[in-house]
Amino acid sequence: GNSVTQMEGPVTLSEEAFLTINCTYTATGYPSLFWYVQYPGEGLQLLLKATKADDKGSNKGFEATYRKETTSFHLEKGSVQVSDSAVYFCALRDLYNNNDMRFGAGTRLTVKP
Amino acid sequence: EAGVAQSPRYKIIEKRQSVAFWCNPISGHATLYWYQQILGQGPKLLIQFQNNGVVDDSQLPKDRFSAERLKGVDSTLKIQPAKLEDSAVYLCASSLNQGGYEQYFGPGTRLTVT
Repeated sequence: GNSVTQMEGPVTLSEEAFLTINCTYTATGYPSLFWYVQYPGEGLQLLLKATKADDKGSNKGFEATYRKETTSFHLEKGSVQVSDSAVYFCALRDLYNNNDMRFGAGTRLTVKP
Repeated sequence: EAGVAQSPRYKIIEKRQSVAFWCNPISGHATLYWYQQILGQGPKLLIQFQNNGVVDDSQLPKDRFSAERLKGVDSTLKIQPAKLEDSAVYLCASSLNQGGYEQYFGPGTRLTVT
């Protein structure tokens, strides 16, 4: 079945540091890939997405590239801010399997000033 | 545009009791999802509705969980009887339709079973 594995946290960085959160997936078809973010006390929000191989999703300085050859969708940001502190979830959706949506376990990021 | 509404936000019950959660999706959204998020894990899809019909309930523990969306708008998720392992956040999400449409999540209901 489909699954997502993401880097375990927590991750603690200083402001302006470079961020990478690794995500790999297993899928039988051709899924769309997503990063969701959950800020403290809030619901899940879509951060970025990519729907096919080699697509790059980007938003708020974050980016991730859909790599079919390595089945990966790593999240990166060049310079994190304190306001980026949140839990980040990698997810996939299989449109050819009842829209099956699978999430990773989440990675908690804390950015210190 | 109003977001996905859920109530209650918090609920504490004893094991073997019953509990119900309510979700009001974004107006006009045909597809509604219920997820279970256990502490330290990602959300797990329990059931997906398209209007008032069930599309996928393969991960719903049907011996104790039930859900309905009678008029194709609001939805309720019920647990009867609850077990300790049901302690989790229950998330509702909606999307305009099935397929490649973005899912919008509600704030969730945090259930604690003692």
